[in-house]
Amino acid sequence: KAGVTQTPRYLIKTRGQQVTLSCSPISGHRSVSWYQQTPGQGLQFLFEYFSETQRNKGNFPGRFSGRQFSNSRSEMNVSTLELGDSALYLCASSPGPAQAIQETQYFGPGTRLLVL
Amino acid sequence: AQSVSQHNHHVILSEAASLELGCNYSYGGTVNLFWYVQYPGQHLQLLLKYFSGDPLVKGIKGFEAEFIKSKFSFNLRKPSVQWSDTAEYFCAVRAAGNKLTFGGGTRVLVKP
Repeated sequence: KAGVTQTPRYLIKTRGQQVTLSCSPISGHRSVSWYQQTPGQGLQFLFEYFSETQRNKGNFPGRFSGRQFSNSRSEMNVSTLELGDSALYLCASSPGPAQAIQETQYFGPGTRLLVL
Repeated sequence: AQSVSQHNHHVILSEAASLELGCNYSYGGTVNLFWYVQYPGQHLQLLLKYFSGDPLVKGIKGFEAEFIKSKFSFNLRKPSVQWSDTAEYFCAVRAAGNKLTFGGGTRVLVKP
């Protein structure tokens, strides 16, 4: 089975712009979670989608949003980019809801976003 | 809220040395426990996981971890490291119904 794929792998944007990141989960997985990884804050949970519904959200401003399509692919959008949004954005998929007991998340390679 | 702490931020050791990375969490109920590894330039990979049963869990690449419920700990061990074990290691915990929470990570450098 192919793993979790994320596109693009690298992105450079300027402050104030918006960006859309894409994630394709492992075939058959219905849950997609997004994380932000930075040297200072580590891995922080953004949100999770299961069956096209957002099930859980982390403590990020409303500029961060996402959605999931019927084929389980997910997109994450960040509007009005700030310098502090520079990070590695990771997507993870699991067969069932990510918060369910005994679910395992599998991670993609990430999209590295640099905001200038 | 659940939290996860990894005691060592950086570990440097020589090949063939033994490795033990500490992980403690704060949640009293049923938890799922994970160790992930991120090799340089690569994505997060699952090393091992504990859901229930035998508290000594064996994972890939010779790693094992022991769940000690009374100490809220899930320490990772490897008896003899190789240069290729140079990576960042993350402990993660999930209580039922909650999001996966990661520790801050431990960077391990194995000198050849």
